[in-house]
Amino acid sequence: LAKTTQPISMDSYEGQEVNITCSHNNIATNDYITWYQQFPSQGPRFIIQGYKTKVTNEVASLFIPADRKSSTLSLPRVSLSDTAVYYCLVGHGNSGYSTLTFGKGTMLLVSP
Amino acid sequence: GAGVSQSPSNKVTEKGKDVELRCDPISGHTALYWYRQRLGQGLEFLIYFQGNSAPDKSGLPSDRFSAERTGESVSTLTIQRTQQEDSAVYLCASSPRTFAGTEAFFGQGTRLTVV
Repeated sequence: LAKTTQPISMDSYEGQEVNITCSHNNIATNDYITWYQQFPSQGPRFIIQGYKTKVTNEVASLFIPADRKSSTLSLPRVSLSDTAVYYCLVGHGNSGYSTLTFGKGTMLLVSP
Repeated sequence: GAGVSQSPSNKVTEKGKDVELRCDPISGHTALYWYRQRLGQGLEFLIYFQGNSAPDKSGLPSDRFSAERTGESVSTLTIQRTQQEDSAVYLCASSPRTFAGTEAFFGQGTRLTVV
């Protein structure tokens, strides 16, 4: 399974754009990149997933360069409620089998 | 219910006792995962089910930990002879299929405290 590396923590202010980068140098051909968000005392929640280039949904964008060795989660105009831990996952399906392996995540603190 | 349900939400037990944690996945989800999260730490993978078989048990920390699943339904995580280091939140997740291009849905977790 591809190992991921992301910053331990980041600080931002309300209204700013936040970009969290994840490195996954040994990503495999059939691996997808997925980001989850976790608030205290809750289970993680899916944010966005992609394979290559750019993916955008109502809450975030995911940028994946051509070599796919890294990815960047972009949160536009963050609010206090975006304070959470963000996890980058790289995983694949192999003969119908896959697993989800979480790294240590990035603790994002949004201040007024 | 519409989401993944875990019970109990909180469990306090005495050291040396056995505990059972239950997970009800979303109906129709073939894949089910168990994780452990200690206070202030990331998620630690325990076991993965595809249907009622467990192709990956590599995360179970010791033989005191076991898990089973009935068909593509409820799963039970059992911890025997609990120790204080077992204190953590135990999270369950399910997903509609095993292919990585899917979303996993997490329950709220069971907070286990061993005293």
